[in-house]
Amino acid sequence: DAGVIQSPRHEVTEMGQEVTLRCKPISGHDYLFWYRQTMMRGLELLIYFNNNVPIDDSGMPEDRFSAKMPNASFSTLKIQPSEPRDSAVYFCASSLGAHTEAFFGQGTRLTVV
Amino acid sequence: AQTVTQSQPEMSVQEAETVTLSCTYDTSESDYYLFWYKQPPSRQMILVIRQEAYKQQNATENRFSVNFQKAAKSFSLKISDSQLGDAAMYFCAHSGTSGSRLTFGEGTQLTVNP
Repeated sequence: DAGVIQSPRHEVTEMGQEVTLRCKPISGHDYLFWYRQTMMRGLELLIYFNNNVPIDDSGMPEDRFSAKMPNASFSTLKIQPSEPRDSAVYFCASSLGAHTEAFFGQGTRLTVV
Repeated sequence: AQTVTQSQPEMSVQEAETVTLSCTYDTSESDYYLFWYKQPPSRQMILVIRQEAYKQQNATENRFSVNFQKAAKSFSLKISDSQLGDAAMYFCAHSGTSGSRLTFGEGTQLTVNP
Protein backbone atom coordinates (compact mmCIF):
# COMPACT_ATOMS: atom_id res chain seq x y z
CA ASP A 1 0.00 0.00 0.00
CA ALA A 2 1.21 3.51 -0.79
CA GLY A 3 0.23 4.85 2.59
CA VAL A 4 -2.13 7.73 3.27
CA ILE A 5 -2.27 9.99 0.25
CA GLN A 6 -3.13 13.65 0.55
CA SER A 7 -3.58 16.20 -2.18
CA PRO A 8 -2.53 18.80 -2.91
CA ARG A 9 0.85 19.00 -1.10
CA HIS A 10 0.74 22.77 -1.22
CA GLU A 11 -2.12 25.18 -1.73
CA VAL A 12 -2.02 28.94 -1.94
CA THR A 13 -5.34 30.70 -2.15
CA GLU A 14 -6.82 34.11 -1.67
CA MET A 15 -8.95 35.03 1.29
CA GLY A 16 -12.59 34.27 0.65
CA GLN A 17 -11.97 31.42 -1.73
CA GLU A 18 -13.11 27.85 -1.18
CA VAL A 19 -10.41 25.30 -0.45
CA THR A 20 -10.81 21.53 -0.65
CA LEU A 21 -8.24 19.16 0.77
CA ARG A 22 -8.34 15.50 -0.18
CA CYS A 23 -7.31 12.28 1.51
CA LYS A 24 -7.14 8.63 0.55
CA PRO A 25 -6.65 6.44 3.62
CA ILE A 26 -4.90 3.10 3.72
CA SER A 27 -7.16 0.37 2.42
CA GLY A 28 -8.85 -1.56 5.22
CA HIS A 29 -8.40 1.13 7.84
CA ASP A 30 -11.63 1.89 9.69
CA TYR A 31 -10.60 5.21 11.22
CA LEU A 32 -9.76 8.46 9.47
CA PHE A 33 -8.55 11.60 11.20
CA TRP A 34 -8.00 15.20 10.12
CA TYR A 35 -5.41 17.19 12.12
CA ARG A 36 -4.17 20.73 11.80
CA GLN A 37 -0.66 21.85 12.75
CA THR A 38 0.28 25.45 13.47
CA MET A 39 3.11 27.07 15.38
CA MET A 40 0.69 28.66 17.83
CA ARG A 41 -1.60 25.71 18.56
CA GLY A 42 0.55 22.71 17.69
CA LEU A 43 -1.19 19.59 16.44
CA GLU A 44 -4.92 19.50 17.04
CA LEU A 45 -7.62 17.09 15.96
CA LEU A 46 -10.32 18.59 13.79
CA ILE A 47 -12.56 15.59 13.18
CA TYR A 48 -12.45 11.83 12.92
CA PHE A 49 -14.53 9.16 11.20
CA ASN A 50 -15.19 5.54 12.01
CA ASN A 51 -16.46 3.44 9.12
CA ASN A 52 -17.18 6.63 7.18
CA VAL A 53 -19.33 8.09 9.97
CA PRO A 54 -18.18 11.30 11.72
CA ILE A 55 -17.67 10.49 15.39
CA ASP A 56 -16.11 13.60 16.91
CA ASP A 57 -16.10 16.96 15.17
CA SER A 58 -15.62 19.05 18.29
CA GLY A 59 -12.28 20.29 16.98
CA MET A 60 -13.70 21.86 13.84
CA PRO A 61 -13.06 25.55 14.40
CA GLU A 62 -16.27 26.97 12.96
CA ASP A 63 -18.95 26.51 10.38
CA ARG A 64 -16.58 27.48 7.61
CA PHE A 65 -15.01 24.05 8.00
CA SER A 66 -16.71 20.88 6.83
CA ALA A 67 -15.53 17.32 6.28
CA LYS A 68 -17.04 14.40 4.44
CA MET A 69 -16.23 10.77 3.90
CA PRO A 70 -18.49 9.51 1.10
CA ASN A 71 -16.80 6.11 1.03
CA ALA A 72 -14.06 4.11 2.72
CA SER A 73 -11.38 5.29 0.34
CA PHE A 74 -11.89 9.05 0.20
CA SER A 75 -12.38 12.03 2.48
CA THR A 76 -12.42 15.78 1.98
CA LEU A 77 -11.92 18.76 4.24
CA LYS A 78 -13.43 21.95 2.90
CA ILE A 79 -12.95 25.51 4.06
CA GLN A 80 -15.42 28.07 2.72
CA PRO A 81 -14.67 30.95 2.84
CA SER A 82 -10.98 30.69 3.68
CA GLU A 83 -9.24 33.22 5.93
CA PRO A 84 -5.54 33.98 6.53
CA ARG A 85 -5.75 32.42 10.01
CA ASP A 86 -6.56 29.09 8.37
CA SER A 87 -2.98 28.93 7.08
CA ALA A 88 -1.50 25.72 8.49
CA VAL A 89 -0.42 22.21 7.62
CA TYR A 90 -3.39 19.86 7.46
CA PHE A 91 -2.76 16.18 8.04
CA CYS A 92 -4.94 13.23 7.28
CA ALA A 93 -4.28 9.98 9.14
CA SER A 94 -5.85 6.54 9.19
CA SER A 95 -5.71 3.59 11.54
CA LEU A 96 -6.89 0.02 11.65
CA GLY A 97 -8.44 0.26 15.09
CA ALA A 98 -9.36 2.73 17.79
CA HIS A 99 -5.96 2.87 19.49
CA THR A 100 -3.62 1.32 17.00
CA GLU A 101 -0.91 3.17 15.11
CA ALA A 102 -2.18 6.13 13.14
CA PHE A 103 -0.48 6.45 9.75
CA PHE A 104 -0.18 10.02 8.61
CA GLY A 105 -0.15 11.46 5.13
CA GLN A 106 2.50 13.98 4.16
CA GLY A 107 0.19 16.87 4.87
CA THR A 108 -1.13 19.79 2.85
CA ARG A 109 0.49 23.14 3.51
CA LEU A 110 -2.26 25.72 3.10
CA THR A 111 -1.46 29.39 2.74
CA VAL A 112 -4.31 31.88 2.60
CA VAL A 113 -3.26 35.36 1.49
CA ALA B 1 -9.98 16.83 29.26
CA GLN B 2 -6.68 15.19 28.52
CA THR B 3 -3.53 17.27 28.34
CA VAL B 4 -0.01 16.37 27.33
CA THR B 5 2.99 18.49 28.32
CA GLN B 6 6.51 18.40 26.94
CA SER B 7 8.61 20.76 28.98
CA GLN B 8 11.71 20.67 26.76
CA PRO B 9 11.22 22.73 23.59
CA GLU B 10 14.72 21.79 22.42
CA MET B 11 17.27 19.12 23.21
CA SER B 12 20.63 18.22 21.73
CA VAL B 13 22.79 15.10 21.90
CA GLN B 14 26.09 13.95 20.54
CA GLU B 15 26.05 11.19 17.98
CA ALA B 16 26.24 7.75 19.67
CA GLU B 17 25.17 9.17 23.04
CA THR B 18 21.88 8.68 24.90
CA VAL B 19 19.18 11.29 25.31
CA THR B 20 15.89 11.30 27.23
CA LEU B 21 12.86 13.35 26.21
CA SER B 22 10.29 14.13 28.89
CA CYS B 23 6.51 13.98 28.72
CA THR B 24 3.80 14.28 31.33
CA TYR B 25 0.09 13.93 30.83
CA ASP B 26 -3.14 14.34 32.67
CA THR B 27 -6.15 12.08 32.31
CA SER B 28 -9.05 10.89 34.40
CA GLU B 29 -9.17 7.51 32.66
CA SER B 30 -7.57 4.42 34.11
CA ASP B 31 -6.91 2.82 30.74
CA TYR B 32 -5.35 4.66 27.83
CA TYR B 33 -2.56 4.60 25.27
CA LEU B 34 0.57 6.68 24.92
CA PHE B 35 2.66 7.29 21.84
CA TRP B 36 5.82 8.99 20.67
CA TYR B 37 5.78 10.30 17.12
CA LYS B 38 8.71 11.69 15.18
CA GLN B 39 8.42 14.48 12.61
CA PRO B 40 11.57 14.99 10.52
CA PRO B 41 11.99 18.03 8.23
CA SER B 42 10.02 16.17 5.56
CA ARG B 43 7.07 16.78 7.96
CA GLN B 44 5.93 13.15 7.76
CA MET B 45 4.63 11.97 11.16
CA ILE B 46 6.14 8.60 12.03
CA LEU B 47 5.26 6.41 15.00
CA VAL B 48 8.29 5.68 17.17
CA ILE B 49 6.78 3.69 20.02
CA ARG B 50 3.45 2.86 21.64
CA GLN B 51 2.56 1.94 25.24
CA GLU B 52 -0.67 0.56 26.66
CA ALA B 53 -1.30 1.92 30.14
CA TYR B 54 -2.45 -1.44 31.50
CA LYS B 55 0.94 -2.96 30.70
CA GLN B 56 3.52 -2.43 33.41
CA GLN B 57 6.39 -3.42 31.17
CA ASN B 58 8.01 -0.51 29.37
CA ALA B 59 7.82 -0.66 25.58
CA THR B 60 11.03 -0.91 23.56
CA GLU B 61 11.74 -0.67 19.84
CA ASN B 62 15.41 -1.23 19.01
CA ARG B 63 17.26 1.91 20.21
CA PHE B 64 14.07 3.51 21.51
CA SER B 65 12.58 2.76 24.91
CA VAL B 66 10.19 4.43 27.30
CA ASN B 67 10.05 4.95 31.04
CA PHE B 68 6.35 4.78 31.84
CA GLN B 69 5.45 5.88 35.37
CA LYS B 70 1.68 5.57 35.60
CA ALA B 71 1.30 7.00 39.10
CA ALA B 72 3.38 10.02 38.20
CA LYS B 73 1.70 10.29 34.77
CA SER B 74 5.09 10.43 33.14
CA PHE B 75 6.12 8.91 29.81
CA SER B 76 9.70 9.68 28.80
CA LEU B 77 11.47 8.49 25.65
CA LYS B 78 15.07 7.30 25.74
CA ILE B 79 17.06 7.19 22.53
CA SER B 80 20.25 5.16 22.79
CA ASP B 81 23.20 5.34 20.41
CA SER B 82 21.77 8.48 18.80
CA GLN B 83 22.16 8.77 15.05
CA LEU B 84 22.08 11.78 12.76
CA GLY B 85 18.83 10.49 11.31
CA ASP B 86 17.18 10.79 14.73
CA ALA B 87 17.20 14.58 14.41
CA ALA B 88 13.55 15.63 14.30
CA MET B 89 10.67 17.06 16.26
CA TYR B 90 9.33 14.49 18.73
CA PHE B 91 5.73 14.54 19.88
CA CYS B 92 4.27 12.73 22.85
CA ALA B 93 0.59 11.82 22.43
CA HIS B 94 -2.24 10.31 24.46
CA SER B 95 -5.35 8.43 23.39
CA GLY B 96 -8.07 7.54 25.87
CA THR B 97 -10.47 4.63 25.75
CA SER B 98 -13.45 6.99 25.59
CA GLY B 99 -12.46 7.99 22.08
CA SER B 100 -9.81 7.59 19.44
CA ARG B 101 -8.49 11.12 19.28
CA LEU B 102 -4.79 11.69 19.81
CA THR B 103 -3.92 14.62 22.05
CA PHE B 104 -0.40 15.84 21.29
CA GLY B 105 2.17 17.66 23.36
CA GLU B 106 3.95 20.76 22.14
CA GLY B 107 6.90 18.83 20.77
CA THR B 108 10.64 18.67 21.48
CA GLN B 109 13.09 19.57 18.73
CA LEU B 110 16.02 17.13 18.90
CA THR B 111 19.37 18.03 17.36
CA VAL B 112 22.03 15.36 16.92
CA ASN B 113 25.56 16.72 16.74
CA PRO B 114 28.22 14.78 14.80
